Amino acid sequence: QKEVEQNSGPLSVPEGAIASLNCTYSDRGSQSFFWYRQYSGKSPELIMSIYSNGDKEDGRFTAQLNKASQYVSLLIRDSQPSDSATYLCAVNKGGGAQKLVFGQGTRLTINP
Amino acid sequence: EAQVTQNPRYLITVTGKKLTVTCSQNMNHEYMSWYRQDPGLGLRQIYYSMNVEVTDKGDVPEGYKVSRKEKRNFPLILESPSPNQTSLYFCASSHGLAGQETQYFGPGTRLLVL
Repeated sequence: QKEVEQNSGPLSVPEGAIASLNCTYSDRGSQSFFWYRQYSGKSPELIMSIYSNGDKEDGRFTAQLNKASQYVSLLIRDSQPSDSATYLCAVNKGGGAQKLVFGQGTRLTINP
Repeated sequence: EAQVTQNPRYLITVTGKKLTVTCSQNMNHEYMSWYRQDPGLGLRQIYYSMNVEVTDKGDVPEGYKVSRKEKRNFPLILESPSPNQTSLYFCASSHGLAGQETQYFGPGTRLLVL
């Protein structure tokens, strides 16, 4: 079992709809969770971080964390063509070490 | 401007010819890390450093060396590159403190080993 799993996609969503990206992780001791966006040929950039169970909203983005189910998701409301990118889920296993483990990424395409 | 820089951005080399990819950050971050990104495999950590003179292996350290003699610099060394090290490499840095773990990535170095 991979430490961090994402559906690689591609996920295709019409413009203006909600895009839902999912991620599961295997280490119950994981303490912090991140969503990065990566445009083709570019470096990853942070969208959201989440540390506690529940929802965290930032503009059109909402991260959801459920530690009991070892599940973290990212919702993008009012999807725009500029949201088309690969979204990487990353999990810090904690314990003081900066061992950030990334999922494979989900490729998202927003269709105008 | 706060940033992580990497050099070179593109590199073509031949098997066995030692090379160094430099990484520098101007944010006074304690933590720095190197990743490689390959299609279908995502980002995998090669080495990381919690502070000057403190380095540790990530998930795929074989064939790589690092050093952290200064806080701002974290070079990646390939002493004898092989074709399976052809990849896209990213350097990243962060404060490394709980709650400040966001990693800032450099622009990437695309390496081709012939």
